[in-house]
Amino acid sequence: EVQLVESGGGLVQPGGSLRLSCAASGFIFSSNTMNWVRQAPGKGLEWVSFISSGSTTIYYADSVKGRFTISRDNAKNSLYLQMNSLRDEDTAVYYCATNSWDYWGQGTLVTASS
Amino acid sequence: QAGLTQPPSVSRDLRQTATLTCTGNSNNVGNQGAAWLQQHQGHPPKLLSYRNNNRPSGISERFSASRSGNTASLTITGLQPEDEADYYCSSWDSSLSAWVFGGGTKLTVL
Repeated sequence: EVQLVESGGGLVQPGGSLRLSCAASGFIFSSNTMNWVRQAPGKGLEWVSFISSGSTTIYYADSVKGRFTISRDNAKNSLYLQMNSLRDEDTAVYYCATNSWDYWGQGTLVTASS
Repeated sequence: QAGLTQPPSVSRDLRQTATLTCTGNSNNVGNQGAAWLQQHQGHPPKLLSYRNNNRPSGISERFSASRSGNTASLTITGLQPEDEADYYCSSWDSSLSAWVFGGGTKLTVL
């Protein structure tokens, strides 16, 4: 069974940092391009970042460029999102998902608020 | 990054047919096609169709997708109460090197 399990969310003050993790199992993680997608409370889906299977190609949404860093460790079947200089508007549920959108985690809530 | 355009809400009667639309441009929907996702409140999105009309296993044949030019459509036949959800389209934008999503359509089954 395919599983994507996010962790690392929580409450952080604006300007602070958090590191999200996504643990993958049940499929060949190292062969899959992965994404982070977020959803602010009561809002729609917003793509955040993309990383190719070998980490050679990385893209970011303009809204997080320069503040967030995506990475992965294929040996640990894990995807990461380092979030720095967090803003109120970064408050959202963060999902990891495969590039074909066929598998999603349950999400982890990040709240940036004073 | 500009997103795709979806109507905010659609309402149809039980057992009727609903067609949801998603409009982009030649850099995304018109070139790459669109994926459709269903999301029930409090749950992650679920893939219904990718690259226009390829259904993952387990997805009902009541869901079918198509594309005409820069507009993608999702047609749901024989509407059921469980079809009431938010529906999102998504496409890769080759000029932005980014995924773009529609704002979502809330489908109400009356």
